[in-house]
Amino acid sequence: EAQVTQNPRYLITVTGKKLTVTCSQNMNHEYMSWYRQDPGLGLRQIYYSMNVEVTDKGDVPEGYKVSRKEKRNFPLILESPSPNQTSLYFCASSFDGSSGNTIYFGEGSWLTVV
Amino acid sequence: GQQVMQIPQYQHVQEGEDFTTYCNSSTTLSNIQWYKQRPGGHPVFLIQLVKSGEVKKQKRLTFQFGEAKKNSSLHITATQTTDVGTYFCAGRNNDMRFGAGTRLTVKP
Repeated sequence: EAQVTQNPRYLITVTGKKLTVTCSQNMNHEYMSWYRQDPGLGLRQIYYSMNVEVTDKGDVPEGYKVSRKEKRNFPLILESPSPNQTSLYFCASSFDGSSGNTIYFGEGSWLTVV
Repeated sequence: GQQVMQIPQYQHVQEGEDFTTYCNSSTTLSNIQWYKQRPGGHPVFLIQLVKSGEVKKQKRLTFQFGEAKKNSSLHITATQTTDVGTYFCAGRNNDMRFGAGTRLTVKP
């Protein structure tokens, strides 16, 4: 089954404690991205990757890091989480980053930073 | 930069009533996609519009792309409780930009 898998689904952490949210897709997609969803703001892109070893900042990259060492994996790293990073995070992938490709979303990761 | 505005933010309807959500872009779009997110779920692709003035239908859902390719709408005829969720448009120029979404609730 084609899917985007992210973990953990739910996490409560404390300010400053580094955490990683993993994302994996089994569709051999070149393009992967991370979004955060906040009430009234919709989906805002954090980082995206057009292919292995190629990553770029989205609209709200501050406080986040990503890596793309393998095609299937695109982890999101919060080096020093802060409460304003409490949000619902979605990993997504598509065949490539060009026009016309459907975006497939993971189930979402609820992150609370206290 | 490119912005995609979506209205209304919320819409509450009685079952059987119609519903419409609108998207407007500050720039001309190459295409626009629509997604639905059920409560507690993740966004799921509904449809893509590419051509100026394009209209597509999926059962009770009608999607339109404006002549100038800067606006789009999603219309649901005779809403059902299964229609509840948040509907997002996503417009592409150089980048893909999501609207803030319209949250639809339906009273039985």
